[in-house]
Amino acid sequence: GAVVSQHPSRVICKSGTSVKIECRSLDFQATTMFWYRQFPKQSLMLMATSNEGSKATYEQGVEKDKFLINHASLTLSTLTVTSAHPEDSSFYICSAEDSPLQHFGDGTRLSIL
Amino acid sequence: AQSVSQHNHHVILSEAASLELGCNYSYGGTVNLFWYVQYPGQHLQLLLKYFSGDPLVKGIKGFEAEFIKSKFSFNLRKPSVQWSDTAEYFCAVNAGDYKLSFGAGTTVTVRA
Repeated sequence: GAVVSQHPSRVICKSGTSVKIECRSLDFQATTMFWYRQFPKQSLMLMATSNEGSKATYEQGVEKDKFLINHASLTLSTLTVTSAHPEDSSFYICSAEDSPLQHFGDGTRLSIL
Repeated sequence: AQSVSQHNHHVILSEAASLELGCNYSYGGTVNLFWYVQYPGQHLQLLLKYFSGDPLVKGIKGFEAEFIKSKFSFNLRKPSVQWSDTAEYFCAVNAGDYKLSFGAGTTVTVRA
């Protein structure tokens, strides 16, 4: 079946650091990828839709300058959390569209000290 | 925008018991409906989906779900659970634009 690889699985870093998370579709091409954020005991909240070769579409309330998304190829999207602060600590999950389905990565646990 | 409501936050039951998880959505148009499962330490996996046709959908691992349009519901069922069904279950909806709206999730704990 379709596999989505997300890396790293866990990152701990100091406040003010920028962190890059990669999302790769391993055996299929994905024009569209999605980035979600999940708080403890809560649902996945869509942050943005990543479109290959064009600008990402951000959901209301998500700071596009804070969460930079690049989708340079049909198999790779990256999310960069810039100048991360403790309130950015969360579980970030990507998915890749394999129409009409989405396939999810394992998620990245980001902890900002 | 559509919203998804899952009625139970945490369900605890014994092996061989029957399971039903409620899911309601708010959207008046045509929707696609999904149930995902997240086992401890693993990624979200698709259990089953409904796009059209027979409203009773059978998925993997003995799960099924019934779409009742008049009730805006898509409840998940399994007649006899196993310890390995311990997981987080998410209902999700999209309205054709491939953006998924998730419910808050239900933690299911099956006691051996």
